[in-house]
Amino acid sequence: DIVMTQSPLSLPVTPGEPASLSCRSSQSLLHSTGKNSLDWYLQKPGQSPQLLIYLGSNRASGVPDRFSGSGSGTDFTLKISRVEAEDVGIYYCMQTLQTPITFGQGTRLEIK
Amino acid sequence: QLQLQESGPGLVKPSETLSLTCTVSSGSISSSNYYWAWIRQPPGKGLEWIGSIYYSGSSYYTPSLKSRVTISVDTSDNQFSLRLSSVTAADTAVYYCARHRRGVGNSRYGSVYYYSGMDVWGQGTTVTVFS
Repeated sequence: DIVMTQSPLSLPVTPGEPASLSCRSSQSLLHSTGKNSLDWYLQKPGQSPQLLIYLGSNRASGVPDRFSGSGSGTDFTLKISRVEAEDVGIYYCMQTLQTPITFGQGTRLEIK
Repeated sequence: QLQLQESGPGLVKPSETLSLTCTVSSGSISSSNYYWAWIRQPPGKGLEWIGSIYYSGSSYYTPSLKSRVTISVDTSDNQFSLRLSSVTAADTAVYYCARHRRGVGNSRYGSVYYYSGMDVWGQGTTVTVFS
Protein backbone atom coordinates (compact mmCIF):
# COMPACT_ATOMS: atom_id res chain seq x y z
CA ASP A 1 0.00 0.00 0.00
CA ILE A 2 1.09 3.59 -0.62
CA VAL A 3 1.54 5.36 2.70
CA MET A 4 0.60 9.04 2.83
CA THR A 5 2.23 11.22 5.49
CA GLN A 6 1.01 14.73 6.24
CA SER A 7 2.68 17.47 8.23
CA PRO A 8 2.19 19.27 10.44
CA LEU A 9 -0.64 17.46 12.20
CA SER A 10 -1.82 20.74 13.71
CA LEU A 11 -1.46 24.20 12.23
CA PRO A 12 -2.56 27.33 14.08
CA VAL A 13 -2.78 30.30 11.72
CA THR A 14 -3.63 33.97 12.16
CA PRO A 15 -6.39 35.16 9.80
CA GLY A 16 -4.93 36.85 6.76
CA GLU A 17 -1.66 34.96 7.05
CA PRO A 18 -0.56 32.22 4.63
CA ALA A 19 -0.53 28.52 5.41
CA SER A 20 1.43 25.64 3.92
CA LEU A 21 0.50 21.97 4.35
CA SER A 22 2.72 19.09 3.29
CA CYS A 23 1.87 15.62 2.01
CA ARG A 24 4.44 12.95 1.18
CA SER A 25 3.86 9.55 -0.39
CA SER A 26 5.89 6.36 0.06
CA GLN A 27 5.95 5.90 -3.74
CA SER A 28 5.85 8.28 -6.66
CA LEU A 29 2.31 9.31 -7.59
CA LEU A 30 3.28 10.24 -11.14
CA HIS A 31 0.80 8.54 -13.47
CA SER A 32 1.78 7.27 -16.91
CA THR A 33 -0.17 10.22 -18.38
CA GLY A 34 2.20 12.65 -16.67
CA LYS A 35 -0.41 13.68 -14.14
CA ASN A 36 0.03 13.29 -10.38
CA SER A 37 -2.66 11.16 -8.76
CA LEU A 38 -2.98 13.29 -5.63
CA ASP A 39 -6.07 15.09 -4.32
CA TRP A 40 -6.67 17.42 -1.38
CA TYR A 41 -9.86 17.50 0.68
CA LEU A 42 -11.12 19.73 3.46
CA GLN A 43 -13.43 18.39 6.13
CA LYS A 44 -15.02 21.28 7.96
CA PRO A 45 -16.35 20.60 11.48
CA GLY A 46 -19.44 18.40 11.34
CA GLN A 47 -19.40 18.16 7.54
CA SER A 48 -18.51 15.70 4.81
CA PRO A 49 -15.14 16.11 3.11
CA GLN A 50 -15.09 18.40 0.08
CA LEU A 51 -12.72 18.27 -2.87
CA LEU A 52 -10.29 21.20 -3.05
CA ILE A 53 -7.53 20.14 -5.44
CA TYR A 54 -7.31 17.23 -7.87
CA LEU A 55 -4.39 15.83 -9.86
CA GLY A 56 -1.98 17.69 -7.62
CA SER A 57 -2.66 21.23 -8.78
CA ASN A 58 -6.14 21.68 -10.24
CA ARG A 59 -8.68 23.61 -8.18
CA ALA A 60 -12.09 21.99 -7.99
CA SER A 61 -15.16 23.91 -9.07
CA GLY A 62 -16.09 26.69 -6.67
CA VAL A 63 -12.85 26.54 -4.68
CA PRO A 64 -11.46 30.03 -3.93
CA ASP A 65 -8.24 30.92 -5.70
CA ARG A 66 -6.45 31.44 -2.38
CA PHE A 67 -6.05 27.63 -2.41
CA SER A 68 -3.30 26.20 -4.59
CA GLY A 69 -1.68 22.80 -4.94
CA SER A 70 1.80 21.99 -6.14
CA GLY A 71 4.36 19.22 -6.19
CA SER A 72 5.16 16.07 -8.11
CA GLY A 73 6.30 12.53 -7.47
CA THR A 74 6.34 12.05 -3.72
CA ASP A 75 6.19 15.60 -2.32
CA PHE A 76 3.10 17.78 -2.47
CA THR A 77 2.04 21.05 -0.90
CA LEU A 78 -1.29 22.76 -0.36
CA LYS A 79 -1.00 26.50 0.14
CA ILE A 80 -3.57 28.95 1.37
CA SER A 81 -2.48 32.47 0.47
CA ARG A 82 -4.56 34.23 3.14
CA VAL A 83 -6.33 32.09 5.70
CA GLU A 84 -9.92 32.94 6.52
CA ALA A 85 -12.02 31.77 9.47
CA GLU A 86 -14.06 29.51 7.18
CA ASP A 87 -10.92 27.52 6.29
CA VAL A 88 -10.90 25.82 9.69
CA GLY A 89 -11.04 22.04 9.55
CA ILE A 90 -9.00 18.97 8.73
CA TYR A 91 -7.17 18.77 5.42
CA TYR A 92 -6.54 15.35 3.91
CA CYS A 93 -4.44 14.30 0.96
CA MET A 94 -5.43 11.17 -0.94
CA GLN A 95 -3.64 9.11 -3.59
CA THR A 96 -5.45 7.36 -6.41
CA LEU A 97 -2.51 5.99 -8.37
CA GLN A 98 -3.20 2.48 -7.20
CA THR A 99 -5.61 0.58 -5.01
CA PRO A 100 -6.10 0.60 -2.16
CA ILE A 101 -6.79 4.31 -2.31
CA THR A 102 -5.12 5.78 0.77
CA PHE A 103 -5.45 9.01 2.75
CA GLY A 104 -3.01 10.93 4.86
CA GLN A 105 -3.76 11.23 8.56
CA GLY A 106 -4.87 14.83 8.15
CA THR A 107 -3.69 18.29 9.14
CA ARG A 108 -5.95 20.20 11.51
CA LEU A 109 -5.97 23.90 10.69
CA GLU A 110 -7.14 26.20 13.46
CA ILE A 111 -7.40 29.92 13.83
CA LYS A 112 -5.15 31.63 16.37
CA GLN B 1 -26.86 19.23 -9.22
CA LEU B 2 -26.16 15.56 -8.48
CA GLN B 3 -26.69 14.52 -4.87
CA LEU B 4 -25.90 11.40 -2.88
CA GLN B 5 -27.82 10.14 0.13
CA GLU B 6 -26.81 7.27 2.37
CA SER B 7 -29.46 5.21 4.12
CA GLY B 8 -29.56 2.19 6.38
CA PRO B 9 -29.71 1.06 10.01
CA GLY B 10 -27.81 3.15 12.52
CA LEU B 11 -27.33 0.22 14.89
CA VAL B 12 -25.95 -3.20 14.03
CA LYS B 13 -25.22 -6.04 16.41
CA PRO B 14 -21.79 -7.67 16.56
CA SER B 15 -21.29 -10.54 14.08
CA GLU B 16 -24.21 -9.32 11.94
CA THR B 17 -24.09 -7.67 8.51
CA LEU B 18 -24.06 -3.92 7.97
CA SER B 19 -26.08 -2.88 4.92
CA LEU B 20 -26.13 0.63 3.49
CA THR B 21 -27.49 2.13 0.29
CA CYS B 22 -26.43 5.28 -1.51
CA THR B 23 -29.10 6.84 -3.71
CA VAL B 24 -27.99 9.02 -6.61
CA SER B 25 -30.37 11.85 -7.48
CA SER B 26 -30.37 14.52 -10.18
CA GLY B 27 -27.96 12.47 -12.25
CA SER B 28 -27.32 8.99 -13.58
CA ILE B 29 -25.20 6.32 -11.99
CA SER B 30 -24.70 4.84 -15.46
CA SER B 31 -22.03 7.24 -16.62
CA SER B 32 -18.72 6.14 -18.08
CA ASN B 33 -16.97 9.02 -16.33
CA TYR B 34 -17.37 7.91 -12.73
CA TYR B 35 -16.76 5.23 -10.17
CA TRP B 36 -18.86 5.20 -7.00
CA ALA B 37 -17.10 4.85 -3.68
CA TRP B 38 -17.65 4.04 -0.02
CA ILE B 39 -15.44 5.69 2.59
CA ARG B 40 -15.70 5.49 6.36
CA GLN B 41 -14.46 7.51 9.33
CA PRO B 42 -14.30 5.99 12.83
CA PRO B 43 -15.07 8.41 15.65
CA GLY B 44 -12.28 10.96 16.02
CA LYS B 45 -10.17 9.33 13.32
CA GLY B 46 -9.27 9.82 9.66
CA LEU B 47 -10.79 8.66 6.40
CA GLU B 48 -10.59 5.08 5.13
CA TRP B 49 -11.50 4.01 1.60
CA ILE B 50 -13.60 0.84 1.62
CA GLY B 51 -14.14 0.20 -2.07
CA SER B 52 -15.47 1.48 -5.38
CA ILE B 53 -17.75 0.22 -8.12
CA TYR B 54 -18.45 1.08 -11.75
CA TYR B 55 -21.97 1.01 -13.17
CA SER B 56 -21.08 -2.18 -15.04
CA GLY B 57 -20.42 -3.90 -11.71
CA SER B 58 -16.62 -3.83 -11.83
CA SER B 59 -15.41 -3.25 -8.27
CA TYR B 60 -12.32 -2.79 -6.12
CA TYR B 61 -11.98 -3.24 -2.36
CA THR B 62 -9.42 -2.40 0.25
CA PRO B 63 -7.53 -5.61 1.12
CA SER B 64 -8.07 -5.30 4.86
CA LEU B 65 -11.86 -5.56 4.41
CA LYS B 66 -12.08 -7.54 1.18
CA SER B 67 -13.12 -10.81 2.82
CA ARG B 68 -16.12 -9.11 4.46
CA VAL B 69 -17.18 -6.46 1.92
CA THR B 70 -19.52 -6.54 -1.05
CA ILE B 71 -20.37 -3.44 -3.05
CA SER B 72 -23.13 -3.75 -5.63
CA VAL B 73 -24.87 -1.44 -8.06
CA ASP B 74 -28.50 -1.20 -9.17
CA THR B 75 -28.70 0.97 -12.27
CA SER B 76 -32.49 0.73 -12.50
CA ASP B 77 -32.89 2.31 -9.07
CA ASN B 78 -29.84 4.57 -9.47
CA GLN B 79 -28.30 3.20 -6.29
CA PHE B 80 -25.23 1.41 -5.07
CA SER B 81 -24.91 -0.53 -1.86
CA LEU B 82 -22.43 -1.67 0.76
CA ARG B 83 -22.58 -4.88 2.74
CA LEU B 84 -20.06 -5.55 5.49
CA SER B 85 -20.36 -8.89 7.23
CA SER B 86 -19.28 -10.09 10.69
CA VAL B 87 -19.08 -6.59 12.10
CA THR B 88 -17.32 -5.71 15.34
CA ALA B 89 -17.02 -2.53 17.38
CA ALA B 90 -14.10 -1.55 15.12
CA ASP B 91 -16.60 -1.06 12.29
CA THR B 92 -18.37 1.72 14.17
CA ALA B 93 -17.97 4.79 11.96
CA VAL B 94 -19.58 7.43 9.81
CA TYR B 95 -20.01 5.91 6.37
CA TYR B 96 -19.87 8.15 3.31
CA CYS B 97 -20.64 7.47 -0.31
CA ALA B 98 -18.96 9.55 -2.98
CA ARG B 99 -18.67 10.01 -6.74
CA HIS B 100 -15.14 9.46 -8.07
CA ARG B 101 -14.33 11.05 -11.40
CA ARG B 102 -12.44 9.09 -14.00
CA GLY B 103 -10.73 10.41 -17.06
CA VAL B 104 -8.86 9.00 -20.05
CA GLY B 105 -5.42 10.16 -21.02
CA ASN B 106 -2.58 9.27 -23.34
CA SER B 107 0.52 7.45 -22.23
CA ARG B 108 3.27 5.47 -23.92
CA TYR B 109 1.04 2.46 -23.30
CA GLY B 110 -1.86 4.01 -25.21
CA SER B 111 -5.06 5.27 -23.67
CA VAL B 112 -5.19 4.81 -19.90
CA TYR B 113 -7.58 5.77 -17.13
CA TYR B 114 -6.78 8.12 -14.28
CA TYR B 115 -8.83 9.44 -11.37
CA SER B 116 -9.48 13.11 -10.73
CA GLY B 117 -11.13 13.59 -7.38
CA MET B 118 -14.15 12.52 -5.37
CA ASP B 119 -16.23 15.58 -6.23
CA VAL B 120 -19.61 14.76 -4.70
CA TRP B 121 -20.10 13.28 -1.22
CA GLY B 122 -23.13 12.22 0.72
CA GLN B 123 -23.82 13.71 4.13
CA GLY B 124 -22.68 10.51 5.83
CA THR B 125 -24.52 8.08 8.03
CA THR B 126 -23.42 6.93 11.47
CA VAL B 127 -23.35 3.19 12.09
CA THR B 128 -22.76 1.92 15.60
CA VAL B 129 -21.98 -1.72 16.30
CA PHE B 130 -23.58 -2.34 19.66
CA SER B 131 -24.99 -5.30 21.42
